[in-house]
Amino acid sequence: NAGVTQTPKFRVLKTGQSMTLLCAQDMNHEYMYWYRQDPGMGLRLIHYSVGEGTTAKGEVPDGYNVSRLKKQNFLLGLESAAPSQTSVYFCASSYHRDRGYEQYFGPGTRLTVT
Amino acid sequence: KNEVEQSPQNLTAQEGEFITINCSYSVGISALHWLQQHPGGGIVSLFMLSSGKKKHGRLIATINIQEKHSSLHITASHPRDSAVYICAVFPGGGADGLTFGKGTHLIIQP
Repeated sequence: NAGVTQTPKFRVLKTGQSMTLLCAQDMNHEYMYWYRQDPGMGLRLIHYSVGEGTTAKGEVPDGYNVSRLKKQNFLLGLESAAPSQTSVYFCASSYHRDRGYEQYFGPGTRLTVT
Repeated sequence: KNEVEQSPQNLTAQEGEFITINCSYSVGISALHWLQQHPGGGIVSLFMLSSGKKKHGRLIATINIQEKHSSLHITASHPRDSAVYICAVFPGGGADGLTFGKGTHLIIQP
């Protein structure tokens, strides 16, 4: 099993450009999450999905969109990148949200917006 | 919104020392996670607790639900334990996703 994978690992964007981050998991998990990690802030939830075809907003959703067309994939889109979106992005998945089942994290994507 | 506070923020110790990292949260939860993030950036789950105590190798995690407090202990610490340790809480009750502390940066010197 590959677990949770993220594509790409690194990316540099200019302000206003768009991009999509791909998260894939092969554990048949129902729940998937996108987090961002900034120095001094800790990890924060951007968007999440509780099943194929569903998405919901987290703590910091502005400037991002997501889609979960297939159970194994969760896409995070930036339509018009801004320097404030420079961050490390982590995807995670879990079996079940109730009782806080263990989350499995991807390796992260380091994004720089200039 | 649950506030998650960790202490200390930074900790440097000598190899072999007993390490304790603390986590406090403000609102009742259904589960608490301890995560480890190595310098390379990857995050792995160490424990998930809803009550009592768990042990895995040299790592021990405890939680006191009434006091809204959890501790992570490392016995016989080793330089390979050097990492950032993150506490995260899962609220349950229909809410989703984890709320994270800012992490404790641990350095174990040989």
